[in-house]
Amino acid sequence: EAGVAQSPRYKIIEKRQSVAFWCNPISGHATLYWYQQILGQGPKLLIQFQNNGVVDDSQLPKDRFSAERLKGVDSTLKIQPAKLEDSAVYLCASSLRLGQSYEQYFGPGTRLTVT
Amino acid sequence: AQSVTQPDIHITVSEGASLELRCNYSYGATPYLFWYVQSPGQGLQLLLKYFSGDTLVQGIKGFEAEFKRSQSSFNLRKPSVHWSDAAEYFCAVGARGNEKLTFGTGTRLTIIP
Repeated sequence: EAGVAQSPRYKIIEKRQSVAFWCNPISGHATLYWYQQILGQGPKLLIQFQNNGVVDDSQLPKDRFSAERLKGVDSTLKIQPAKLEDSAVYLCASSLRLGQSYEQYFGPGTRLTVT
Repeated sequence: AQSVTQPDIHITVSEGASLELRCNYSYGATPYLFWYVQSPGQGLQLLLKYFSGDTLVQGIKGFEAEFKRSQSSFNLRKPSVHWSDAAEYFCAVGARGNEKLTFGTGTRLTIIP
């Protein structure tokens, strides 16, 4: 079974530029999560989807971050414009369905450096 | 609001020695508790989870954890560590219903020969 795929693995941009990350969850997983992991900290949930609907985006900085999950499969997270403090690893995770397994499977992450 | 504290930022253990990583949580009801491991450049892998029932939970790679409600703790243990166990370990608490995970800041484990 293929795991959660993310691309790119690394990205370096200058502040005020825009960037997008892509995630392909495990086949059949209805729930998808985006986390931000700043160096030295644990992952922090940014947004949670169930199929193509948003369940929780309370910690997403909506003035600069946006995310979508078209057709309930792949997802894209965008930052525009980027700030220095956005430097982090962005992790995507998926799970079977809310309330069923509570087991999240994580992708390898995208390491973003903003200079 | 739920929260997790991992008081040890970095632990060094000799290969073959026993290991205990501490985790304390705050949650208004009976929590769902998890331990994840993260190797350099990789995503998080689930080691074990506690939902209910037996308070001693067995996981992969020889790890176990014990849920102690009176101490609000969920410490991870392994009787004999291997060099391949060197990694970052994260404890997390999950909210029932929405599966939202709150992670601790992690404990970095170093193994010395």
